[in-house]
This record gives sequence, C-alpha cells and structure tokens, in this order.
Amino acid sequence: SQQGEEDPQALSIQEGENATMNCSYKTSINNLQWYRQNSGRGLVHLILIRSNEREKHSGRLRVTLDTSKKSSSLLITASRAADTASYFCATETGFGNEKLTFGTGTRLTIIP
Amino acid sequence: DAGVTQSPTHLIKTRGQQVTLRCSPKSGHDTVSWYQQALGQGPQFIFQYYEEEERQRGNFPDRFSGHQFPNYSSELNVNALLLGDSALYLCASSLLSSEQFFGPGTRLTVL
Repeated sequence: SQQGEEDPQALSIQEGENATMNCSYKTSINNLQWYRQNSGRGLVHLILIRSNEREKHSGRLRVTLDTSKKSSSLLITASRAADTASYFCATETGFGNEKLTFGTGTRLTIIP
Repeated sequence: DAGVTQSPTHLIKTRGQQVTLRCSPKSGHDTVSWYQQALGQGPQFIFQYYEEEERQRGNFPDRFSGHQFPNYSSELNVNALLLGDSALYLCASSLLSSEQFFGPGTRLTVL
C-alpha cells in the first residue's frame, strides 16, 4: 500500500516559475526522500531529509519536513523545461537501508 | 563507474508463463531491492536481498521470488504470470544505511 500522497497529482507552470509539490505520509519515519522519474523510466534520487531536520537545500531544490503534520514539500525554483517529470516522495521507517514506501507522485509539466 | 543495470529492457509474456528479470548493482553496493510500479502509480516494494538472503519482503504473493548471487547481482522471478503483473520492475542497490540508486527498469507486459 502507498505510505503517502503527493499533492497536486498534476501541475503545469511556465518556465522560470517556481513549482511546489507536497507529500503527506501516515507513520513515523526515519527519513523522507524525493525522487524524479522521466517518462516511466528509472528513478533519480534528488534529496534526503532526516526526521530531525526541518529544511534542506540542493541547488534549485528546497525541501521542508514537518514531522508533527507528517508532511513534506519540494520547491523547485526557476523551473526549466528539463524539470518536466514525475516527482515522488518516499519514506524510510527503519534505521538504515530499509524499504522505501512511495507516494502516488506529482506529474510536473514545464511550459516553455 | 557503471550504475545499476537491469535486463532485459522490455519483455512480453503470456498469462501463466514464468519470467526472470536481472539486476547488477552499482559497484561497491551489497544490497538489492526490487520494486513494482504499475502505470500511473508509485513504486511498491517487493523484497530486499542482503548477503544472499531475503532481508525484507513486501505484500506480494509467493509467485514472486528472488535470488542474490555472491557478486551481489540479483534476479527476480515471477511464476504463473497474471495480467495484473504488467508493470515496470525497478531494481535499486545500496550499501547499508545509504541511499538507494535505481536502475532504468524492465517493462513487463503480460498478454
């Protein structure tokens, strides 16, 4: 079963705008990770945030985590056409190398 | 340094047949996990292999089985294929306590 859900399910924005995706989950976690998937192929790891962290940055990506609300957000700033993809959050509940439980994904389309 | 590789890329089978999918982990990784991703859904965990043993298993029937070899590569076997087994099968490798790196996947179509 899916651990969480991404919101929105689909998002279309103009190139250069910022894109925000949200993820909610159900159980306590050790960490939360965001992945990108292009055209139904393999997943690319974007960023990992641990349960004791509240915010993390990587290039144009900013991730926040609110464990009290069991939610996370992914912000992509200054979007590019190449950012068009599906984005998934995944939670890990164990301590080290445990299974990942994925959400349902957000389909992001960047309009040139 | 090669990343995670999977073979074949695509596969077409008929109901009732058996299939074997293969995965070679990223160099230096010792743990392999398998996921099933149905169209329009997020990946779902099938099982994980470490030191040639199944370490964790998701909610999948016994028709799904696997193996890990001494060189850490892995196979996923599915018996008595059903139409609902049509999906993208993803392999991920990792080193204990590290992030998982995914391969490009094998697209299985069951007719």
